[in-house]
Parts: sequence; C-alpha cells; structure tokens
Amino acid sequence: NAGVTQTPKFRVLKTGQSMTLLCAQDMNHEYMYWYRQDPGMGLRLIHYSVGEGTTAKGEVPDGYNVSRLKKQNFLLGLESAAPSQTSVYFCASSSTFGGSAGDEQFFGPGTRLTVL
Amino acid sequence: GEDVEQSLFLSVREGDSSVINCTYTDSSSTYLYWYKQEPGAGLQLLTYIFSNMDMKQDQRLTVLLNKKDKHLSLRIADTQTGDSAIYFCAESSISSNTGKLIFGQGTTLQVKP
Repeated sequence: NAGVTQTPKFRVLKTGQSMTLLCAQDMNHEYMYWYRQDPGMGLRLIHYSVGEGTTAKGEVPDGYNVSRLKKQNFLLGLESAAPSQTSVYFCASSSTFGGSAGDEQFFGPGTRLTVL
Repeated sequence: GEDVEQSLFLSVREGDSSVINCTYTDSSSTYLYWYKQEPGAGLQLLTYIFSNMDMKQDQRLTVLLNKKDKHLSLRIADTQTGDSAIYFCAESSISSNTGKLIFGQGTTLQVKP
C-alpha cells in the first residue's frame, strides 16, 4: 500500500514553460486536493476534487488547471510557469466525510518546483 | 471567512514540555487536527479532536479545546529532539461536505539538546 505518491519530486522550469504534476493514491479515496506550501503561509488549497470527473477551485487557483479522469489520479497543470509559482506542492486525499477521524487527509511527499 | 492562526516559532529544551497554540474562527468546526511535518516530507496526522470534546490524551500528546474562545492547544510532554518539526493546526466543517481542511501557518518547533 503506497498511499499517496507524487511525480516528480523536484523540477526546475523556465518562465513560460508548462508542466504537469501527477498525484496517485491507492486507498480508493473519493476526495483529492492540491496545495502549495510557502514559508510563513502554511498550506493553501489550489484545486480539489470530490470524485472522478469533478474538480473545483480552492483558495489560489489562478495559473493552475487540474483534471481527475481516473479516481486514483489527480493532475495539476501549469500552463505558463511564473516565478511566483516557485513552491512546494502537496497532494492529499481523503475518504468520504464521516470516517473515524472525520476529514483526515493523507499527504504525498511533495514536489519542489523552482521557476527561473 | 474561515481562518486558523498559529504562532510561527517555538524553541524548547529537550525534556521540557512544549505547548503549541492555535485559534480558529469557524464555530461550526467539527474536527480539529494537528499535523506534523518533518523536514523534506509531507504532513502526517498526529492527533485530532472532535468538537464535542474538551481534552484528548494520547501518550505524550495532550490536546485541549476551548470552544468558547475557539482555542486549540497541543502539549508535548518530555519533548525530544525527534519532535523537531513544523506542526500544523487544521479545522474541518460539517457544512463544507467536501472534506476541505483549513490550515494554520504552521509552528516550527525547535528542540535544543
């Protein structure tokens, strides 16, 4: 049981380049989330999904797109990278609301992205 | 809107108790969580408390919830160097029905030998 995995672990982009971050979970979770973590700002929600084929905007969605074509995968795309998108990106997943720990989210190890 | 606030840094000596504080604004919060993030890693759930509880104890960890003041604290007894990490407070609300959590900024705990 791998839990939540993220690909790649590190990436350096030039301004204007595009890339896709992949998140995969093997826990059959309905809900998946993409966060970015910046110093002193905690985790900010970018986009999330409450099920296969659905996506919704979070707190900071601008400059990002997402897709959830398969239940186990949640992709985060940067169409035209900007230096302000330099950050650590975390994917998380959770089961349907009402579990033993409520909305406990399981996190991947993160992707460290630098945009030059 | 919903907001969760934490102080950014706490330094203690090994063997002392650590107390990390958190305030939140959403009165409909159902669960409140403490996550731990070790260097270079993702977040892991440390403990949680349901909103109808005042206290929860789990080995060296004690969570206190003051619903009137919307204040949550995490006490770590006999703090060890391995407890050095960033600790995040988070809340969820039954009204969201999306599983979304609101996180605080994170408190960096430094444990000195």
